[in-house]
This record gives sequence, structure tokens and C-alpha cells, in this order.
Amino acid sequence: NAGVTQTPKFQVLKTGQSMTLQCAQDMNHNSMYWYRQDPGMGLRLIYYSASEGTTDKGEVPNGYNVSRLNKREFSLRLESAAPSQTSVYFCASSVEWGSNQPQHFGDGTRLSIL
Amino acid sequence: GESVGLHLPTLSVQEGDNSIINCAYSNSASDYFIWYKQESGKGPQFIIDIRSNMDKRQGQRVTVLLNKTVKHLSLQIAATQPGDSAVYFCAEKKAWTSGSRLTFGEGTQLTVNP
Repeated sequence: NAGVTQTPKFQVLKTGQSMTLQCAQDMNHNSMYWYRQDPGMGLRLIYYSASEGTTDKGEVPNGYNVSRLNKREFSLRLESAAPSQTSVYFCASSVEWGSNQPQHFGDGTRLSIL
Repeated sequence: GESVGLHLPTLSVQEGDNSIINCAYSNSASDYFIWYKQESGKGPQFIIDIRSNMDKRQGQRVTVLLNKTVKHLSLQIAATQPGDSAVYFCAEKKAWTSGSRLTFGEGTQLTVNP
């Protein structure tokens, strides 16, 4: 089983460019999440989708937008990339939002903004 | 001044020894906890979880202990192997604006020496 798949794995952008990070899960999970991970810091929640058709802001949503395309796919968009958005981005999924079940992560997208 | 969060705590052990990794959590109302392992260049991998109505839970070579009195969580790895070298971090489920969500610690870098 693939679990959570993220594309691309690496990307370099110039300031002001836009791009979309893709995520898909094959575990039939209802909830999906986008995090960023910066050196020496814990994962920080950008946006989440508790269920298909809903999205909500996390703790660091500024500069990002998301789309829950269907139950499997949840994309993250940077409309105008800034150097402060240089980070590793992880997508995760879980059975239900707020449940006592673990989140399962993809292997990340490493994004550099020049 | 000191840069907060840039340096992970580290633990270095000899192959075959037992490892203990500690985590302090913040909210006495948290009811669910998870340990993740993150290898270099990979996403976080679920190891073991525990609910607040338990003090101890065992998996294959791993044990999680929960001390609610002092809000402390530990991960014990028996007979540590070189493949256990990674960053380990805990997560707790805390109340959020809508429901509850996982919040993640910064992690501990475990190095296993052959």
C-alpha cells in the first residue's frame, strides 16, 4: 500500500512564483492535513480538512490556500511564494478529525524559495 | 541570545543497549498521545500510541509510559539497533477551536553506535 503520496519531492521557486503541492491517500481516511516542518521545530499545522468538502485554517495559514479535491486528494497552494515559506511540507491523513487514531504522513516536499 | 528550537536534544547509545526518550506535555486534559520516528529525508512514521486511561503500553521492542501526575511521556526501545537511529517526537491531542488536534514536540535525535 502506498499510504500517503506527495508530489513533487523537491522544488525550487523564485520569490513571487506560485505552485501547488499535491497529496493523495489510499487508506479511505476522512481527514487530511498539511504541516510545515522547520529546523528544530515541531510540525505546525497549516490547514486541515476534517472531511470531504470542508477545509479549515490551522495555526500558520497565512500565504497558503488548500483544496480538498475529493476524499483521496488534498492540495496546498502557494499563490506568491516568499523566502519565509522555505520549509519541508508534510501531508497527513487520519480516520477522523479529533479521534484517538494516529495520523499517517507522506515523505514530504522540500521547498526552497529564492 | 540563544536561538530557541535550533538544536534538538540528543541521545547516543551503544547497539544492544536500551534507550529511553522523554517528552513533557503541556495540557493535563490531553487524552491521547503518540510517538513518531522520523528518519532523515522521510516523513514521520507512527510507532505507538497510548490513551490517557492507560499508564503503559507495549509494542514490538517499544514501550510507552504515561505519567499524568507530572505530564510526562517516555518511549523505551529495547535492544537498540543501528536502524533505530532517527529523530523521535511525541504528539498530544489537545483541544482546538473545533474539536481537538495533535500538537507535536520538537523531537530527540537518537544515535545508535555500533
